[in-house]
Amino acid sequence: EAEVAQSPRYKITEKSQAVAFWCDPISGHATLYWYRQILGQGPELLVQFQDESVVDDSQLPKDRFSAERLKGVDSTLKIQPAELGDSAMYLCASSLVLREGYNEQFFGPGTRLTVL
Amino acid sequence: AQTVTQSQPEMSVQEAETVTLSCTYDTSESDYYLFWYKQPPSRQMILVIRQEAYKQQNATENRFSVNFQKAAKSFSLKISDSQLGDAAMYFCAYNAGNMLTFGGGTRLMVKP
Repeated sequence: EAEVAQSPRYKITEKSQAVAFWCDPISGHATLYWYRQILGQGPELLVQFQDESVVDDSQLPKDRFSAERLKGVDSTLKIQPAELGDSAMYLCASSLVLREGYNEQFFGPGTRLTVL
Repeated sequence: AQTVTQSQPEMSVQEAETVTLSCTYDTSESDYYLFWYKQPPSRQMILVIRQEAYKQQNATENRFSVNFQKAAKSFSLKISDSQLGDAAMYFCAYNAGNMLTFGGGTRLMVKP
């Protein structure tokens, strides 16, 4: 069964360092999402791509976060510089473009980031 | 903005018993979708069940069913014949216009 792949699964870094996370969506899924999930809370959308274009990045802290999906397939989320408050699980999800208002999202295993 | 509220941070159920997880949401939309996702410890989130707002009939998937009360903006999940493998975080989510909004989650513990 096709799955969303993410790497690394775990990342420990010191504050002010740069970190990058990678996501490979299910083949054929045009829409890709990055979420941040703070421990004990629900995921919050950071950025949404439709193919290679950003659809929504209103919740992305653009002073330190960046995301790209250059060829409309895999994607990279970067944080530079990392801050203590960035410690969280970073989830990637992908979905087919279905009818308006409905898109079943499939989630990857996530990258757990710890900033020391 | 849409909000999703799960008022039960933790729930516990005896194996083989039934448990109901609560969820309320706030929206001005008339057409939307609601989901329950399961997130087992250290494993990825998976979809448990979905409900389309224009359908009056409550969705059912094997041991999982929902009680969808559109006027009350309530969407609860019932798990029947609970199994040890049901232990996980459960998230209620609202979807309109391709954006998914999650509740804060309910941790379900299953006692053998």
